[in-house]
Amino acid sequence: SQQGEEDPQALSIQEGENATMNCSYKTSINNLQWYRQNSGRGLVHLILIRSNEREKHSGRLRVTLDTSKKSSSLLITASRAADTASYFCATDGGSQGNLIFGKGTKLSVKP
Amino acid sequence: GAVVSQHPSWVICKSGTSVKIECRSLDFQATTMFWYRQFPKQSLMLMATSNEGSKATYEQGVEKDKFLINHASLTLSTLTVTSAHPEDSSFYICSDSINYGYTFGSGTRLTVV
Repeated sequence: SQQGEEDPQALSIQEGENATMNCSYKTSINNLQWYRQNSGRGLVHLILIRSNEREKHSGRLRVTLDTSKKSSSLLITASRAADTASYFCATDGGSQGNLIFGKGTKLSVKP
Repeated sequence: GAVVSQHPSWVICKSGTSVKIECRSLDFQATTMFWYRQFPKQSLMLMATSNEGSKATYEQGVEKDKFLINHASLTLSTLTVTSAHPEDSSFYICSDSINYGYTFGSGTRLTVV
């Protein structure tokens, strides 16, 4: 089953601007992860935030987690054309120990 | 870190034929491998969970007789799409699970014509 709901579904910005994507989930989690997927390609793990963390940074990425609202956000600062991709949040807690993916946000960064 | 090698990266096959996709763990023993499917412009959905030495667990709506999963060793899990149809055209990707970490294969783009 699909748990995460990302918004927006699509986001188009200019290079240099910041991009914010949001994700909501339904069940209790141990951690939440964000992945990137270039068109038709595999997944690239970006960042993992644990349920007891509220914010995490990695380079130009900033992730927040609000377990009371069951939501997370991914901020990409100073975006580049190379950031163009789809971004998915994923939570643990699938019935088989699998990840449950959100619907994704398709980010387009125009040079 | 852990590496999962997935082959082939893309395949085109005729309707009615079967296609085998392999996921090989290169530097660890994977007792569990997850198989996901991603239709165009959609997210990844779990199809089945393969367990070494036992039967796979299929998600609701996934035909076990059509999507055959074999996990005969700790380093190899295979997904065979039998009697493929155009509606099976999708992106298939595997993932292991070790200590709550997940490593994904590079995915297989299947096109059935």
